[in-house]
Amino acid sequence: DAGVTQSPTHLIKTRGQQVTLRCSPISGHKSVSWYQQVLGQGPQFIFQYYEKEERGRGNFPDRFSARQFPNYSSELNVNALLLGDSALYLCASSLGTSGPSDTQYFGPGTRLTVL
Amino acid sequence: KQEVTQIPAALSVPEGENLVLNCSFTDSAIYNLQWFRQDPGKGLTSLLLIQSSQREQTSGRLNASLDKSSGRSTLYIAASQPGDSATYLCKSENTDKLIFGTGTRLQVFP
Repeated sequence: DAGVTQSPTHLIKTRGQQVTLRCSPISGHKSVSWYQQVLGQGPQFIFQYYEKEERGRGNFPDRFSARQFPNYSSELNVNALLLGDSALYLCASSLGTSGPSDTQYFGPGTRLTVL
Repeated sequence: KQEVTQIPAALSVPEGENLVLNCSFTDSAIYNLQWFRQDPGKGLTSLLLIQSSQREQTSGRLNASLDKSSGRSTLYIAASQPGDSATYLCKSENTDKLIFGTGTRLQVFP
């Protein structure tokens, strides 16, 4: 079975541009979460979606948005890019049953560089 | 607000040593605590998930414990190997937040 996949693997943008990152969860997983990991730090939680509904949101500005599609894949959009948005963006999927037993499985990430 | 801290930030040990990595959290109302490893520039690999009702989990040479009352989790690595070299991260899950620690960077040399 395929694991969590993310596209693209690398991306270079300039300040002010917009970017869309994509994530396909493991087959059968209904929950997708997005994280931003700046170099040298732990991942920061951005969003969690379950059954196309937002389940949780971290402390990120409104320039960050996401959605989940009927096939449970997800997109993360970032508008008006800033230099500080340069990071590894990680997607994780889980069954979404919530509670204690929901292990998250991570994709390889998308490396975004903003110039 | 949940805060997750990992100590030490970095660790360098010779092969064969038994190791303890620490993870502290401020809000004990967690659903679970999960340990991951991350190789440089790569995604995260789940190691162990401890449910809030559990005290520990084991997988091979790894053992993770959870003490909610003291706000601590430890990851024990037995007989460390050079292949264990990576950054180890813990993550807590509360009602609607998933919070990672800052990680412990481990290097095991032959």
